[in-house]
Amino acid sequence: AQSVTQLDSQVPVFEEAPVELRCNYSSSVSVYLFWYVQYPNQGLQLLLKYLSGSTLVESINGFEAEFNKSQTSFHLRKPSVHISDTAEYFCAVSYSGGYQKVTFGTGTKLQVIP
Amino acid sequence: NAGVMQNPRHLVRRRGQEARLRCSPMKGHSHVYWYRQLPEEGLKFMVYLQKENIIDESGMPKERFSAEFPKEGPSILRIQQVVRGDSAAYFCASSPQSRDEKLFFGSGTQLSVL
Repeated sequence: AQSVTQLDSQVPVFEEAPVELRCNYSSSVSVYLFWYVQYPNQGLQLLLKYLSGSTLVESINGFEAEFNKSQTSFHLRKPSVHISDTAEYFCAVSYSGGYQKVTFGTGTKLQVIP
Repeated sequence: NAGVMQNPRHLVRRRGQEARLRCSPMKGHSHVYWYRQLPEEGLKFMVYLQKENIIDESGMPKERFSAEFPKEGPSILRIQQVVRGDSAAYFCASSPQSRDEKLFFGSGTQLSVL
């Protein structure tokens, strides 16, 4: 069965510092990877996705993630965080090729400290 | 354009009672998905519905759980004879015409079984 591991449940970081949120998944021949973000009192929103092609994917608000097949990882990074990035981040994987049957990790709460 | 609406936000039931969770997808979306997040776990796919049809219910427990998405009105996730292990956050997501479209999530319903 597919699985996703997010080892860090909480990550505190000072404003303007870099951050990396880790994500590892169980290996499969064909994999699709996602990062979702949940701001307080809101539903999950798709942040970025890897389906194929370039292994480095970016979001519109400065986050990026790199698909590393050999290490079965899809870590999320941002070189300089902002207060507004405070949220919970979920890594997710799908082996079916579709968006809907994704398996989510347990989430990482990013707390940006002023 | 309102997002995915779920109600109630919090639902408390005693063991043996029925729980009904509602989800109104975004306007124009005809695909609905339900996910469950148990304590300390990631979101897990439960069921995928289109109007009046269950497309994939491979993630639904075999007993006591049912889902519908009628021609008119919201999608309903129904849990009969709830037990304490049903306590979880239940998230609904919707997408437009194609199953491969991005998912839009609601804020979830937190079910607590006493």
